[in-house]
Amino acid sequence: GAVVSQHPSRVICKSGTSVKIECRSLDFQATTMFWYRQFPKKSLMLMATSNEGSKATYEQGVEKDKFLINHASLTLSTLTVTSAHPEDSSFYICSARQQGARNSPLHFGNGTRLTVT
Amino acid sequence: GQSLEQPSEVTAVEGAIVQINCTYQTSGFYGLSWYQQHDGGAPTFLSYNALDGLEETGRFSSFLSRSDSYGYLLLQELQMKDSASYFCAVDGGFKTIFGAGTRLFVKA
Repeated sequence: GAVVSQHPSRVICKSGTSVKIECRSLDFQATTMFWYRQFPKKSLMLMATSNEGSKATYEQGVEKDKFLINHASLTLSTLTVTSAHPEDSSFYICSARQQGARNSPLHFGNGTRLTVT
Repeated sequence: GQSLEQPSEVTAVEGAIVQINCTYQTSGFYGLSWYQQHDGGAPTFLSYNALDGLEETGRFSSFLSRSDSYGYLLLQELQMKDSASYFCAVDGGFKTIFGAGTRLFVKA
């Protein structure tokens, strides 16, 4: 089955530093990947759509200079949280759908729990 | 705007059947998915409906009525391990939007 790998699973950083999160599709190609953010006991909020070879599409209210997304290949997207602040602490999850598979489900990475101190 | 409505919480006993409803209002619609998420974990896919009707996968079934913008997830023969959050999600074509989630508590 389709597998999405996300790394790291957990990271603690200090305020003002930047953190990079990687999302890889291991056995399929994905021209599009999605980044979600989830607060405890809340829903998944779509942050942005990562497009291979072009700029990401950000949802309303998401700062693109704060959350940098790069989709350099058909199997890798990265999310960089720049100048992190405690309010950026959250669970970040990436997902992807197999390329060309219209009705295929989203496959999720295991998520990254970010804590900013 | 886009919105999905589902109950916030449901409690049921082991062995019972429970139905989690979802109504949606979205600008585009290709299908309705259901995901399960245990605390601290990532969402896992349960089922997907693109057309009206019932889809059955083991103990889980999902139903869709596009004319009513409504669907439900049916869980049969509940087990303790089914205690989790369940999200309905609409595939709008370019992106997938999630409901707020339903926390299911299964009691012995």
